[in-house]
Amino acid sequence: EAQVTQNPRYLITVTGKKLTVTCSQNMNHEYMSWYRQDPGLGLRQIYYSMNVEVTDKGDVPEGYKVSRKEKRNFPLILESPSPNQTSLYFCASSTRGGNQPQHFGDGTRLSIL
Amino acid sequence: AQKVTQAQTEISVVEKEDVTLDCVYETRDTTYYLFWYKQPPSGELVFLIRRNSFDEQNEISGRYSWNFQKSTSSFNFTITASQVVDSAVYFCALSEGSGGSNYKLTFGKGTLLTVNP
Repeated sequence: EAQVTQNPRYLITVTGKKLTVTCSQNMNHEYMSWYRQDPGLGLRQIYYSMNVEVTDKGDVPEGYKVSRKEKRNFPLILESPSPNQTSLYFCASSTRGGNQPQHFGDGTRLSIL
Repeated sequence: AQKVTQAQTEISVVEKEDVTLDCVYETRDTTYYLFWYKQPPSGELVFLIRRNSFDEQNEISGRYSWNFQKSTSSFNFTITASQVVDSAVYFCALSEGSGGSNYKLTFGKGTLLTVNP
């Protein structure tokens, strides 16, 4: 089954404790991206990757890091999480870019205390 | 810079009513793509439609229809004879199509549609 898998689905942690949200897709997609969803703000793009070892900033990259060492994986790293990063996060993938339909993961709800 | 505006934050209708969700976009590019996504209460994001800037033909899929008008920079979504299962947040999104811009995807803030029985 074609899917985008995010882990964990839920996480409560404390300020400053580094965390990684993993994202994996099994569709051989070139393009992957991360979004955060906040009430009243919709979805905002954090980072995207056009292919292996190629990443770029979205609209709200501050406080996040990403890497794309393999085509199927695109982890989101919060080096020093802060409460304003409490949000619902979605990973997505598509064949070539933002102009293609996105396949979304089920989301990761992060709470930073 | 690309921008998407969904002015309707929330809409509430009674089952079987028709409802239109508005989407207005801004872009300087002549090549761009517009999307609608649905987010039901269960939380997942589901792709509904993609339209490119060169195709202004309206589309109908069952009870869903989309009206794309470049003259008003709008891409509105109509649900005919709404049902309770249509209750969801609906997002309009825009991706510019040329050069490196096609890697960015900008979403509107979403419209929460509630269909009451």
